[in-house]
Amino acid sequence: AQSVTQLGSHVSVSEGALVLLRCNYSSSVPPYLFWYVQYPNQGLQLLLKYTSAATLVKGINGFEAEFKKSETSFHLTKPSAHMSDAAEYFCAVRLIQGAQKLVFGQGTRLTINP
Amino acid sequence: NAGVMQNPRHLVRRRGQEARLRCSPVKGHSHVYWYRQLPEEGLKFMVYLQKENIIDESGMPKERFSAEFPKEGPSILRIQQVVRGDSAAYFCASSPRAGVAGVSYNEQFFGPGTRLTVL
Repeated sequence: AQSVTQLGSHVSVSEGALVLLRCNYSSSVPPYLFWYVQYPNQGLQLLLKYTSAATLVKGINGFEAEFKKSETSFHLTKPSAHMSDAAEYFCAVRLIQGAQKLVFGQGTRLTINP
Repeated sequence: NAGVMQNPRHLVRRRGQEARLRCSPVKGHSHVYWYRQLPEEGLKFMVYLQKENIIDESGMPKERFSAEFPKEGPSILRIQQVVRGDSAAYFCASSPRAGVAGVSYNEQFFGPGTRLTVL
């Protein structure tokens, strides 16, 4: 069975600082990996996805993530945080074959300090 | 292009009542997924449906919960005899077709959710 662990339920950074949100996954077979962002009282928006192509994936709003198979990690980064980045971020995994469901981590709430 | 539509956006029910949540997928999408988000938690998969078929209901509670996706009309998630523990945000996602190994991945598009409060 797949699972996702997001280290740190709350992360706080200063505006302009590096954003690093951690995600580790467990899967018996190579998975697809995703990062979603959720703004208050809204649905989920896809930031980026890894689908077995390039291990460094660039997404929207300046975010990127690197798939590291040896570390079973898919950490999300952004070089310079903006106030508008304040939101909840979810890492998710899905099998390439078989079950179509997404398995989500518990989320990380990102706060940006002025 | 209209995205995934969910209604109502907010629903208040008293214990013992029924809740019906509707999801209209992106036009042309034939696959629907329901997820539940309890307070301060991530999303948990409930059920995956194609038109007129339940494909995977491994995340559905055994009692009181049911889902359908008829040939015509929206997908419905139905909760009978609601209890306070059912209070959550329920999200629907849709995709045009199931992903196939070796073929390009198929993204799930999420709706804004229905926030159910049980009094």
